[in-house]
Amino acid sequence: DIQMTQSPSSLSASVGDRVTITCRASQDISNSLAWYQQKPGKVPKLLIYTASTLQSGVPSRFSGSGSGTDFTLTIYSLQPEDVATYYCQRYNSAATFGPGTKVDIK
Amino acid sequence: QVQLVQSGAEVKKPGASVKVSCKASGYTFPSYGINWVRQAPGQGLEWMGWISTYNDNTNYAQKFQGRVTMTTDTYTNTAYMDLRSLRSDDTAIYYCARVAGYCTGGSCHPIDYWGQGTLVTVSS
Repeated sequence: DIQMTQSPSSLSASVGDRVTITCRASQDISNSLAWYQQKPGKVPKLLIYTASTLQSGVPSRFSGSGSGTDFTLTIYSLQPEDVATYYCQRYNSAATFGPGTKVDIK
Repeated sequence: QVQLVQSGAEVKKPGASVKVSCKASGYTFPSYGINWVRQAPGQGLEWMGWISTYNDNTNYAQKFQGRVTMTTDTYTNTAYMDLRSLRSDDTAIYYCARVAGYCTGGSCHPIDYWGQGTLVTVSS
């Protein structure tokens, strides 16, 4: 079974900082990877799919890259409303999530 | 607009079963599969399985095989998730979630819409 890992598990950054979250698959998943944002008490929201395609309506400060086993979510200028937990998910047959990265404002 | 409306909260005793429903509206039900995802209190998202709303093909996470059954009713545009032999660590919010496209053998697209979640509490 393909496992998904994320790093770091949490981070704290200042408003305006660039934030990078890494997701790794234990086997090649091509570009079948999505990123979700979940705010406390809310359902997850799709940010990026096929590793780098921005979902409609998502601010352009969010960007995804990678393929195969290594993927990155970058927030180019962190805003207060970006405080949330971010999950990667592979979706090639099974749809395993990574453990999540909690993002806070310093 | 696309909506997934789930059944209400449940309290169950260990060893019992729970069946959560998810009624879809605002789109062509057979064209998009359904994932079931759960989230224990303070924990991350856990994928439980996928069902094709076209032909009822399923793909269950290994962890839940033998204990979960996912079904659909295309007459009422409703998906169901049945979890048996409940334990205290099954206490979680259970979500149905629409897969953003047609798949045949498993979940092959990301999730674009989520139900509101159903809290299942397992306690003696």
